[in-house]
Amino acid sequence: AQSVTQPDIHITVSEGASLELRCNYSYGATPYLFWYVQSPGQGLQLLLKYFSGDTLVQGIKGFEAEFKRSQSSFNLRKPSVHWSDAAEYFCAVGPSGSGYSTLTFGKGTMLLVSP
Amino acid sequence: DAGVIQSPRHEVTEMGQEVTLRCKPISGHNSLFWYRQTMMRGLELLIYFNNNVPIDDSGMPEDRFSAKMPNASFSTLKIQPSEPRDSAVYFCASSFLSRGHYGYTFGSGTRLTVV
Repeated sequence: AQSVTQPDIHITVSEGASLELRCNYSYGATPYLFWYVQSPGQGLQLLLKYFSGDTLVQGIKGFEAEFKRSQSSFNLRKPSVHWSDAAEYFCAVGPSGSGYSTLTFGKGTMLLVSP
Repeated sequence: DAGVIQSPRHEVTEMGQEVTLRCKPISGHNSLFWYRQTMMRGLELLIYFNNNVPIDDSGMPEDRFSAKMPNASFSTLKIQPSEPRDSAVYFCASSFLSRGHYGYTFGSGTRLTVV
């Protein structure tokens, strides 16, 4: 069965500093990987996704993520954080090549941005 | 596209009452998912439909919960009778699943409070 671990429940970053949110997954083959962001009172919005090919993927709002097969990781990065990035971030994994399957979400990491 | 539309946004009800949550998926999407989000348990998949047919309802907590998708543009999640422990944010998401994942689009959620 697939699983996702986001080891950090909360992270505080100063505005303008770089950010890295960790995500580790468990899956037998190469999975499909996603990062979502949830602002307070809102639903989850897709930031970026990895299916295959280039292991560094670019997303919206200046985010990027790198798939590292050897580490079973898909960490989210941003070079300079803005106050509006404060939100909860969810990593998700889905099995590849199947039409009838669902995403498994991590527990989320809450990002706080200090002035 | 207006995205995934959920109603109501907020619902406060008394214990024992019936609650119906509604969802309109994105036109052309063939899969619909109901999730529940709480602080303690995070995002839990309750049920998902493919081409209006329930594929996996193993996440439905108990018989008090039921979901229907009478057509491609509408789904309901019903709780009868409701209990205080059902208080949570309920999300609907839709996607187009064919040979692989294309990510989910989430609605803004329904915040349910059972008193």
